[in-house]
Amino acid sequence: GENVEQHPSTLSVQEGDSAVIKCTYSDSASNYFPWYKQELGKRPQLIIDIRSNVGEKKDQRIAVTLNKTAKHFSLHITETQPEDSAVYFCAASYGGATNKLIFGTGTLLAVQP
Amino acid sequence: GAVVSQHPSRVICKSGTSVKIECRSLDFQATTMFWYRQFPKQSLMLMATSNEGSKATYEQGVEKDKFLINHASLTLSTLTVTSAHPEDSSFYICSARRFKQRTEAFFGQGTRLTVV
Repeated sequence: GENVEQHPSTLSVQEGDSAVIKCTYSDSASNYFPWYKQELGKRPQLIIDIRSNVGEKKDQRIAVTLNKTAKHFSLHITETQPEDSAVYFCAASYGGATNKLIFGTGTLLAVQP
Repeated sequence: GAVVSQHPSRVICKSGTSVKIECRSLDFQATTMFWYRQFPKQSLMLMATSNEGSKATYEQGVEKDKFLINHASLTLSTLTVTSAHPEDSSFYICSARRFKQRTEAFFGQGTRLTVV
């Protein structure tokens, strides 16, 4: 079935360190993988995404890598700052024409000053 | 930009009553909207996919007669929670995808429903 696994569920890092969050998806037909950041009580905000024809994408301190063979994709945040603290969700597209997004279980990132 | 507005942001209702939540795309046309439910400290669980002019597609385990979805125009989808019970209390959030663009989805601000 449609499933996205996300690890770790919580992650605490010191300011300036890097953070890595990993996701695994189940459907080899998935072709779109976004990452969302959600602060408490607010809507999820898209921070970066990657399509299946690309192996890596970077935007300043944030990067995403995709391994289609292994059906893994990861979020990398470098030089973390306290304002990076939030819940991060990965997602994978499923369903052909509908192209719905199925979300991972989320990672609570805490950046300690 | 791509703005999705959801209303109301908070609602408290009595058991047995119905509540309607609106999701509007303000500056783009959305052929597809998605409705999610989020419990505290948990992920976004997809409830249904709403396509303009056709019936919604519900995920397994979601009661279509309880969660009525209507997508009457390219900018508006509504979710009605019928005969609400305390266990329906949750955070409901919609997302919309641009017309003819099948990837990036933009989220509304969510609705906190409390059934008393």
